[in-house]
Amino acid sequence: NAGVTQTPKFRILKIGQSMTLQCTQDMNHNYMYWYRQDPGMGLKLIYYSVGAGITDKGEVPNGYNVSRSTTEDFPLRLELAAPSQTSVYFCASSYSTQGNYGYTFGSGTRLTVV
Amino acid sequence: RKEVEQDPGPFNVPEGATVAFNCTYSNSASQSFFWYRQDCRKEPKLLMSVYSSGNEDGRFTAQLNRASQYISLLIRDSKLSDSATYLCAVSGGSYIPTFGRGTSLIVHP
Repeated sequence: NAGVTQTPKFRILKIGQSMTLQCTQDMNHNYMYWYRQDPGMGLKLIYYSVGAGITDKGEVPNGYNVSRSTTEDFPLRLELAAPSQTSVYFCASSYSTQGNYGYTFGSGTRLTVV
Repeated sequence: RKEVEQDPGPFNVPEGATVAFNCTYSNSASQSFFWYRQDCRKEPKLLMSVYSSGNEDGRFTAQLNRASQYISLLIRDSKLSDSATYLCAVSGGSYIPTFGRGTSLIVHP
């Protein structure tokens, strides 16, 4: 059982470049999320999805886009990368948003924009 | 007041010590509460959910105080391997958890 798989693990982008962070889960979870974590800071929600075809903005969506064409996949697209997007990105999934179902996180993507 | 607040620490304790962390939250309608553990340069991993009546898992005890709007995590008989950052997460009406910044724990020999 792989859980949540993120690729790539590391990436260096130049300012203005674009890239897609991949996230896939094999737990048949409807709910998926993208967070960024800056040093010493908490996890900030970028986008989330409650099921295939449905996405919504989180706390810090500017500069990012997502899609959810299947239950398994939830890619995060960065357009026109900026130094402020240097961060660690975590994808997560959950069985439900109610009750005591916590998140399963992927291992993260460390992104540096130079 | 921030939605979810934690003392960043670090809490520096010897092996075998008992240590407790608190996490305060501002939304009185919050419904779900969690503690996560995050090792350096790793992803957060769910440690335990926090139930209204409190719950225990081995050396770890989590409690909820709705009146004062905080949750706590107690670690007994600390091990070197408990060294990590502990994140609390609280979800309210939207059911999407808000995470605290984390409390750093260092257990030394």
